[in-house]
Amino acid sequence: QVQLVQSGAEVKKPGASVKVSCKASGYTFNTYAITWVRQAPGQGLEWMGWISAYNGNTDCAQSVQDRVTMTTDTSTSTAYMELRSLGSDDTAVYYCARGGNGWYPDYWGQGTLVTVSS
Amino acid sequence: EIVLTQSPGTLSLSPGERATLSCRASQSVSTYLAWYQQKPGQAPSLLIFSASSRATGIPGRFSGSGSGTDFTLTISRLEPEDFAVYYCQQYGSSPPNFGQGTRLEIK
Repeated sequence: QVQLVQSGAEVKKPGASVKVSCKASGYTFNTYAITWVRQAPGQGLEWMGWISAYNGNTDCAQSVQDRVTMTTDTSTSTAYMELRSLGSDDTAVYYCARGGNGWYPDYWGQGTLVTVSS
Repeated sequence: EIVLTQSPGTLSLSPGERATLSCRASQSVSTYLAWYQQKPGQAPSLLIFSASSRATGIPGRFSGSGSGTDFTLTISRLEPEDFAVYYCQQYGSSPPNFGQGTRLEIK
């Protein structure tokens, strides 16, 4: 069965960076993109971007494109999302999901809470 | 950028009743529209893709319809576990935005 397992919760200070991992199993990793979505406390879903696990192509939201780096490691079927220059408004649960690049996200990770606080 | 507007913001119904949720796009998305359910403390889960196709394991009481700019998610007879927040998302063009969500609460 398809599973996406994310790394654990993080607490960061303003200005720092965070890197969240998403390990996929149960399917051929390089045949789908991985999408990243975040959800601030009590708010809706915000699309951040996707990365193709096949060729590394990416598409990012304008709101984070200058601060985010998405990568994949096909040898371990793991996707990564790094967000730099964190501010308090980056406090959110970050989700990875299988899909993107014209495909709907179908399987989701459990989420990673990132708290930005001084 | 395509904006998705969901209505109503909150829907109060009783178990056994029929729920009708709306998602309107600012421009045509053809049928590149998905619906997700999110329960408190959980990740979203896929209900409907391509506007009207049920995802694997989704009960028949959930149905989606529409094309172009107007879409509907219908739950024919509400079960207690259906009370949650529902989001639509268009995935045909970038950015693949989500709607703001509809909260379905027990009346």
